[in-house]
Formats: sequence, C-alpha cells, structure tokens
Amino acid sequence: NAGVTQTPKFRVLKTGQSMTLLCAQDMNHEYMYWYRQDPGMGLRLIHYSVGEGTTAKGEVPDGYNVSRLKKQNFLLGLESAAPSQTSVYFCASRVGFPYNEQFFGPGTRLTVL
Amino acid sequence: GQQLNQSPQSMFIQEGEDVSMNCTSSSIFNTWLWYKQDPGEGPVLLIALYKAGELTSNGRLTAQFGITRKDSFLNISASIPSDVGIYFCAGPYDNFNKFYFGSGTKLNVKP
Repeated sequence: NAGVTQTPKFRVLKTGQSMTLLCAQDMNHEYMYWYRQDPGMGLRLIHYSVGEGTTAKGEVPDGYNVSRLKKQNFLLGLESAAPSQTSVYFCASRVGFPYNEQFFGPGTRLTVL
Repeated sequence: GQQLNQSPQSMFIQEGEDVSMNCTSSSIFNTWLWYKQDPGEGPVLLIALYKAGELTSNGRLTAQFGITRKDSFLNISASIPSDVGIYFCAGPYDNFNKFYFGSGTKLNVKP
C-alpha cells in the first residue's frame, strides 16, 4: 500500500495563477483533510471531507476550494494564488469515528511569488 | 479558534538525556494525541490518550492525559539522534470530525 500520496511535491506560482493539489489514499478511509503548515503555527485545517461527495470548511478556508468526487481522492484548488498562501500543504486521511489516527502524506511545498 | 499551547517551543539536548514537553488548552478535551514529524515528512501518530489521568507508553515515550483534561505531557527517556523532529499535540472537536494541532516542540539531539 502506498498510503497517502500527494502531487506535486514542490510548486512555484506567480500571484494570480491557479493550481490544484492532488491527494490520493488507498486505505479506503472515509475522512480526508487538507492542512497548511507555517513556521511556529502548527497545522491549520483548511477543508475536510467525511465521505465521498462531501466537503466542509476548516479553520482557514478562504482562498481555497476542494472536491471529493471519488472516495480515494481529495483535491485542493487555489483559484488565484497570493503570497500569503506560500506554505507546506499536508493531506491526511482517517478511517472515521471512533478511530482518531490520521495518516499524513509527505507534503507539498508551495511558493507564491 | 481554539489554541493548543505547547512548551517549550524548541529544545537542544544531549544524547542520552530525558525530555519533557507539554500541551495546554483553555478547553476540555476527551482525547489527546501526540504526533512526531520527521524533517521533510508528514506527522506520524505516536500515542493516543482517552481517559483523564491515563498514562500510556510506547517504547521510550510516555504520555499522560492531565486530570483537568486541559493538558497533556510527553516524556522521552534516554534520547537518541533519531528522536530529532517536531512533536505535536492534537485534540478532536466538532464531534470528532476535526482536530486542533499545537504549534509544536522542535527537538534537537546532539550526539
């Protein structure tokens, strides 16, 4: 099993460009999450999904959109990138309640110039 | 939103020393989780705690669920170089759908 994979690993964008980050998991998990990690701020939840076809907002959703058309994939979109979105983005998946463990991908390092 | 405060922010220790770190919250949590993030990787779960006062070990790691349910502690005994990384606490909210993460404790171990 590959676990949780993220594509791409690195990306540089110019302000105003758009892009999509792909997260895929092969563990048949119901829940999927997108976080951003900034120095000294831990992991902040952007959006999450509790099952195929569902999405919901986390703590810092502005400027991002997500889709979960297939159970194994969770896409994070930036429609018009801003320098404030420079960060490392992590995707995670989880079986679902009552299991709390989240399995994280390796991260995508995004720089917006 | 909720803040989980971790201290210390960073530590520099000698190989073989014991380490203690903690996580505090202004709200009660029913579950505490401790993750470790190796450099360049995603976090990995180390220990999960489900009951106030609970003490749980995983090898050289021991974590405790504070009796007030507003704090948790992680101890590492006899540290080794591969303990280097960032340690995060986390707690669930919104009916266990979402998780708050602390800002992390960065551990450096000198051989």
